[in-house]
Order: sequence, then structure tokens, then C-alpha cells
Amino acid sequence: AQKVTQAQTEISVVEKEDVTLDCVYETRDTTYYLFWYKQPPSGELVFLIRRNSFDEQNEISGRYSWNFQKSTSSFNFTITASQVVDSAVYFCALSPHRRGGSEKLVFGKGTKLTVNP
Amino acid sequence: NAGVTQTPKFRVLKTGQSMTLLCAQDMNHEYMYWYRQDPGMGLRLIHYSVGEGTTAKGEVPDGYNVSRLKKQNFLLGLESAAPSQTSVYFCASSHPTRGNTIYFGEGSWLTVV
Repeated sequence: AQKVTQAQTEISVVEKEDVTLDCVYETRDTTYYLFWYKQPPSGELVFLIRRNSFDEQNEISGRYSWNFQKSTSSFNFTITASQVVDSAVYFCALSPHRRGGSEKLVFGKGTKLTVNP
Repeated sequence: NAGVTQTPKFRVLKTGQSMTLLCAQDMNHEYMYWYRQDPGMGLRLIHYSVGEGTTAKGEVPDGYNVSRLKKQNFLLGLESAAPSQTSVYFCASSHPTRGNTIYFGEGSWLTVV
């Protein structure tokens, strides 16, 4: 069975602080995908990143970076120099790496990030 | 780019009424999904479809029906709405050979009173 745990229910930071959102997963699949989605206050779900389990290179996109560590089954998300517009609920998700495995996509419960001015 | 479009965005229903949520995608995706999102429960899959004319049950299918008559459309029906179906509903789509990435619509807020 697959499981995604986001232990941080809510995080509050002051603008310009760095913040890391934790994601720990469990799976019996040998290959899998990991995802992060953002849900701003307006409600839509925005895809941020997909990571393949056999690619452990960290990724950076502007102020966003992702640290994938297979040894600890973690896929953490760091926002550098946070901004008010980063305030949102962030979801980590996991699916098997196979054709059509997306119907097995499992989401964490989300971490609500509030960035205060 | 429209992506995934859901209608209506907001709706209030009385218990026992029926309604249909419409979803359309313009990305030529094979797979489509309906999720519901509830506080403390996260996102749960209601039904999904792996192609035109096919549907399958997800985690929480009871009380809902779906149809996929055209590849670009996926309809979610509530035959007799119940207050427990008050939720935010998300339609989504994906292509089976493009990394399993699911793209979501903007959500439909449904209240059953």
C-alpha cells in the first residue's frame, strides 16, 4: 500500500524567511513518481513538480527547490525567501511508475503555509 | 490554454435533488478523474476513466455516477444529493505515458442543504 505523510499541518513564517515542507512516503513499488501541488486560497490545484524515483538529483526552480532522498523516503520542498504569494496549501503525492498508474495517485493531507508580511 | 474546465463552479442543492457536474479537457488526455476534497480528509478519488466509453470506481464511489461518452468530457452525476456530498469537486486529466502527471480543473463548490 502507498502512503504519503505530511507531518506539518500548518506552518507560519514571516516574509523572506526560508521554509521547508516535509514529505515522507511509503511504497512497495520499485519505481514511482513523486509530485508536489499547490492550492492557493482561490482553490485551484496547481502542479509544481514531478520526480521520477530513479532520478535523485535535487531540483531548483527559482525560489523553489526539492530534495529527494530515497534512503529516507523523503521528498521535501523548500521555498527560499518566502513571499506572501506563497501562502497556500501544499500537497505531496505519490503514484506508481507504470502506464496509467495515475489512478493510484495518493495524496498527503497537505501543509498549510502562511507567509506573513 | 483552457486545460481542464469544470461547470458549474458553485451550486447549492436541496437534499434529494439531482445534478450533473461537467468536465471538459482540451489536452487530448486519455485518462480523466473526479476527486472530492473535504477538510481533514484530503483528496479522494470518486471515479475515473481510462478512455472513452469506460469508467471505474475509485475510493469513494457511492452516491455518484459518471459517464465518458466523448474523450474530452467526463460527467459526474449525483442522483439524490445528500448533505454528506457537500464538498469541493475536482475534475482532472492525465496522459498515461507522460509521467502520470494529473492536471486539475479549478474546482466546483457544492453545498447540499
